[in-house]
Amino acid sequence: GAVVSQHPSWVICKSGTSVKIECRSLDFQATTMFWYRQFPKQSLMLMATSNEGSKATYEQGVEKDKFLINHASLTLSTLTVTSAHPEDSSFYICSARSTGGDTEAFFGQGTRLTVV
Amino acid sequence: GQNIDQPTEMTATEGAIVQINCTYQTSGFNGLFWYQQHAGEAPTFLSYNVLDGLEEKGRFSSFLSRSKGYSYLLLKELQMKDSASYLCAVMDSNYQLIWGAGTKLIIKP
Repeated sequence: GAVVSQHPSWVICKSGTSVKIECRSLDFQATTMFWYRQFPKQSLMLMATSNEGSKATYEQGVEKDKFLINHASLTLSTLTVTSAHPEDSSFYICSARSTGGDTEAFFGQGTRLTVV
Repeated sequence: GQNIDQPTEMTATEGAIVQINCTYQTSGFNGLFWYQQHAGEAPTFLSYNVLDGLEEKGRFSSFLSRSKGYSYLLLKELQMKDSASYLCAVMDSNYQLIWGAGTKLIIKP
């Protein structure tokens, strides 16, 4: 299957700082990328959908000014958690869907964010 | 509203067979996915069904009945490493994935 690389795998940051998470499709072009967060023992929660070259669509309840998403190219999307707080500590996962019409979305490895 | 239902937790014995059910109600249907997720890791793709019937892939099989809004994931010859959460997800008419809460499968020796 196609490869989606997410970086970093884990990060610890101080409260009030910002953290950027990268999601790259390595061997295909991704028209659409999805960002999820997952709390322990809970299912994936879609945060936003980003299409290359346009503004991301955020799910209800997700603060777009706090979770900045940039999808500048067909192979890269970034999620920046601004002014992070301990309650932002979570597992963040991206997935990407190709431009080739495939319906399957491929997942990155996930990023474990801990805000102290 | 859109809804995906699957059992919260199941327990099975090593070497046995287990069936994880998923029922769904969504606005449109463009396929059903099963993913496996080990604790602390991202989900990995297991299967995709868009037509009715059974898709077999090694020890794992997935079945779909669109008229009943029903799918199951069948795991044979269970191994300890199969202990994980199994996520059912349906792609709706907008090509958005609607996720179930996942079924935690516990394998006992």
